[in-house]
Amino acid sequence: AQSVSQHNHHVILSEAASLELGCNYSYGGTVNLFWYVQYPGQHLQLLLKYFSGDPLVKGIKGFEAEFIKSKFSFNLRKPSVQWSDTAEYFCAVNAPGGGYNKLIFGAGTRLAVHP
Amino acid sequence: GAGVSQSPRYKVAKRGQDVALRCDPISGHVSLFWYQQALGQGPEFLTYFQNEAQLDKSGLPSDRFFAERPEGSVSTLKIQRTQQEDSAVYLCASSLTSAINNEQFFGPGTRLTVL
Repeated sequence: AQSVSQHNHHVILSEAASLELGCNYSYGGTVNLFWYVQYPGQHLQLLLKYFSGDPLVKGIKGFEAEFIKSKFSFNLRKPSVQWSDTAEYFCAVNAPGGGYNKLIFGAGTRLAVHP
Repeated sequence: GAGVSQSPRYKVAKRGQDVALRCDPISGHVSLFWYQQALGQGPEFLTYFQNEAQLDKSGLPSDRFFAERPEGSVSTLKIQRTQQEDSAVYLCASSLTSAINNEQFFGPGTRLTVL
């Protein structure tokens, strides 16, 4: 069965530090990949997505992710984090077949940014 | 307009009780998804509706779980004879069309605690 692995469950950074959150998926076929973010007390919201084309995807709030097919990875990056980036981040892949966007999520990474 | 709303936001049930969780998707959205998020985990797919048709219920963990969307808008997830392992946050998401590249908009979730 398809699965998504997020390597770090908790990450603590100081403001202005660089961020990279790992995400690996298990499916070998064509996939669509997503990063969602959940700020404290708020809903899950889409940060960025990859469907095709340029493997370097830019999202909101300065985030980007790179799809590396040979490594089955879709790591999230930000050059300089801010305190407001404190949140939980989820990587997701859509399950193949069915023709609709059934998402499979990783367990999430909780990021804390200290001023 | 308004986003996806869910009610109640919190529900405490005694083991063996039946519960009903409501989701109001964004008006006009064709697709509706239910996910279950256990503590420390990412959301897990439960079921999918396209308008009033339940096209996928492969994620429902047992026959105690039942979902409906009779008029293609509001959806209800019902859990009969609740068990402690049903304790989780239940998330609803909707998207404008059934296309796989359509963004899913998530509600705030209902936190169910079974005592």
